[in-house]
Amino acid sequence: AQSVTQLDSQVPVFEEAPVELRCNYSSSVSVYLFWYVQYPNQGLQLLLKYLSGSTLVKGINGFEAEFNKSQTSFHLRKPSVHISDTAEYFCAVSRHSGYSTLTFGKGTMLLVSP
Amino acid sequence: GAGVSQSPSNKVTEKGKDVELRCDPISGHTALYWYRQSLGQGLEFLIYFQGNSAPDKSGLPSDRFSAERTGGSVSTLTIQRTQQEDSAVYLCASSLGRGGQGENPETQYFGPGTRLLVL
Repeated sequence: AQSVTQLDSQVPVFEEAPVELRCNYSSSVSVYLFWYVQYPNQGLQLLLKYLSGSTLVKGINGFEAEFNKSQTSFHLRKPSVHISDTAEYFCAVSRHSGYSTLTFGKGTMLLVSP
Repeated sequence: GAGVSQSPSNKVTEKGKDVELRCDPISGHTALYWYRQSLGQGLEFLIYFQGNSAPDKSGLPSDRFSAERTGGSVSTLTIQRTQQEDSAVYLCASSLGRGGQGENPETQYFGPGTRLLVL
């Protein structure tokens, strides 16, 4: 079984500041890793994903994440946030083999203020 | 192309009534998933369909919940005798599924969800 831990339930930050949203996972098998964003009253939108290859993954809206296998982490970063980045962010994993449903973390609410 | 669509977007019902939630996956996607998002529980897997294979129902919380997928496309999630704890956002996702080409077959694309409130 897999599990995902998002260490911060809420991250307040000022506009134009850098931000890091933390994600750690646990799995006995190889996994794919995802970050999804959910804007208020909307569904989930894929932000970025790690499948294989380069451990630094770039996504939409200037976000990037780095896969660290030894630390079983997949932290999300953005060098300068905007008010419009205010949303909930979910880290998720799925197994490599066969089909696999997503196992999500509890989510991190990013609150960007002026 | 069109994304995953869900209807209704909002549903208010009385305790004990049955509800049906609909999901239209992305055209060509053979895999379809239902998740539930509720306060305190986060996002939980409910059920998974892949082509004509028997669905994986391991996430359904009780026998009041059922789902079907007709013709390998549209899916309906039915909740019978609704309870207040069923209040949540029900999210549907689809992916290319096993045998998909040109894309990680496991990348899931989500619909906007149906907000269910049981009074």
